[in-house]
Amino acid sequence: ILNVEQSPQSLHVQEGDSTNFTCSFPSSNFYALHWYRWETAKSPEALFVMTLNGDEKKKGRISATLNTKEGYSYLYIKGSQPEDSATYLCAPYSGGGADGLTFGKGTHLIIQP
Amino acid sequence: DAGVIQSPRHEVTEMGQEVTLRCKPISGHDYLFWYRQTMMRGLELLIYFNNNVPIDDSGMPEDRFSAKMPNASFSTLKIQPSEPRDSAVYFCASSLGQSSEAFFGQGTRLTVV
Repeated sequence: ILNVEQSPQSLHVQEGDSTNFTCSFPSSNFYALHWYRWETAKSPEALFVMTLNGDEKKKGRISATLNTKEGYSYLYIKGSQPEDSATYLCAPYSGGGADGLTFGKGTHLIIQP
Repeated sequence: DAGVIQSPRHEVTEMGQEVTLRCKPISGHDYLFWYRQTMMRGLELLIYFNNNVPIDDSGMPEDRFSAKMPNASFSTLKIQPSEPRDSAVYFCASSLGQSSEAFFGQGTRLTVV
């Protein structure tokens, strides 16, 4: 099972502010990095799947970058809105079997009006 | 497609009883994952299948837990005998390939009394 670290564990942000958080993972045998958004009482939903070093993906006000050589990814939220409140999970995927889609414990984001 | 379907949505059982959770993945998906949500470990990967074959079951907590995927459209997670500490929300997810997003079911909330 892969060791995945996400920081910070929780984050309070004022509405309108921008924020970012980190996912760290083993850089060896890297295949893909997934980001998911998990609202309370719902199921996780995919935001991005990233595979290439230096890749940057964007969906509305949310974007993510990937560094596979050093084993980290950043998720950015620009102009936070109350509906952004959720837990954000990352999951690295190593190729070749052995380790499945292993999630970090997530960053719990609360947007304060 | 209706998405990943899990049943039952809620299960309350007495300690010592056998519990079977069911999952129907999205048609055509070749990966299926079983997760357990706990306060301590977050979203914990229990086991995953590729083309109906179990690839990694190292996350299965004990011999009381077993999972099968008899065909591409059905998987079960069985706990026998169940214990109060097994109480959690169990999620099933499926994906098409290793680098594609995983789609989650609604989860089964298990309570063992």
